[in-house]
Amino acid sequence: GAVVSQHPSWVICKSGTSVKIECRSLDFQATTMFWYRQFPKQSLMLMATSNEGSKATYEQGVEKDKFLINHASLTLSTLTVTSAHPEDSSFYICSAPPGQETQYFGPGTRLLVL
Amino acid sequence: GNSVTQMEGPVTLSEEAFLTINCTYTATGYPSLFWYVQYPGEGLQLLLKATKADDKGSNKGFEATYRKETTSFHLEKGSVQVSDSAVYFCALEGPTSNTGKLIFGQGTTLQVKP
Repeated sequence: GAVVSQHPSWVICKSGTSVKIECRSLDFQATTMFWYRQFPKQSLMLMATSNEGSKATYEQGVEKDKFLINHASLTLSTLTVTSAHPEDSSFYICSAPPGQETQYFGPGTRLLVL
Repeated sequence: GNSVTQMEGPVTLSEEAFLTINCTYTATGYPSLFWYVQYPGEGLQLLLKATKADDKGSNKGFEATYRKETTSFHLEKGSVQVSDSAVYFCALEGPTSNTGKLIFGQGTTLQVKP
C-alpha cells in the first residue's frame, strides 16, 4: 500500500534553534499534505494544510511564522519549527491523500526542545 | 464547532473477548466518520469509515455504524486478538466535507492479553 515517511523520527534540540521535519509520499504524488500535532494522551490537532505550488493554509491559532511549511514537490513537504522552545515539544504527524477518499499517515516525529 | 469524544483508555481485554470503544461526535451536517488504528511504531492507518447515516463500516472483523440519532460511531469487534493491541482513533472530516481535514478524538489504547 501507499506509504508516507517522515524524517527524522525523533529529534532533540536546544531552545532557540530551528528544526526541519520532512514528510514524503513514497509511491504517489500529493498536491496536498496535512500537518498534525499531538500532545501526550490527547488527540491529533490539525496545524496546517500544505499545498504544492502555493502557500500553506494554517488553522486558527497556529503561528505561521513559527511553523514554516514548504511543499517543495509533489512528494515532499517540510515543516520547520523556528526558534524552538520547550513548549514546542510534541509529536508531529503528516498525512497525504493520494485521492479524495483516502489519507495515508506518516509514523510521526517526536520533537524534544531542551 | 465540530468535535469527537472517545472513551478513555486504556482498555485491557483477554484474547477472544468482545470489544466496544465508544465514540460520539458533535457536528453540523453529516460528516464522514472514520476509525483509524495506530500500531506501535507505525503511522495511523484507516480501519473503516462510513459516509452517511446508518452506514456500517467494517474491516478485519471490526464494525461501526453511523448513528445519526445518537451522534455515535462506536467501534466493535466480536473476538479480539493480541495483534489488535494498538491505539484507536475516531475521527470526522470537517468542518466541511471533502477537504481532507480530520478532527480526531483523543485515542483509546487497547491492550489484549493472551
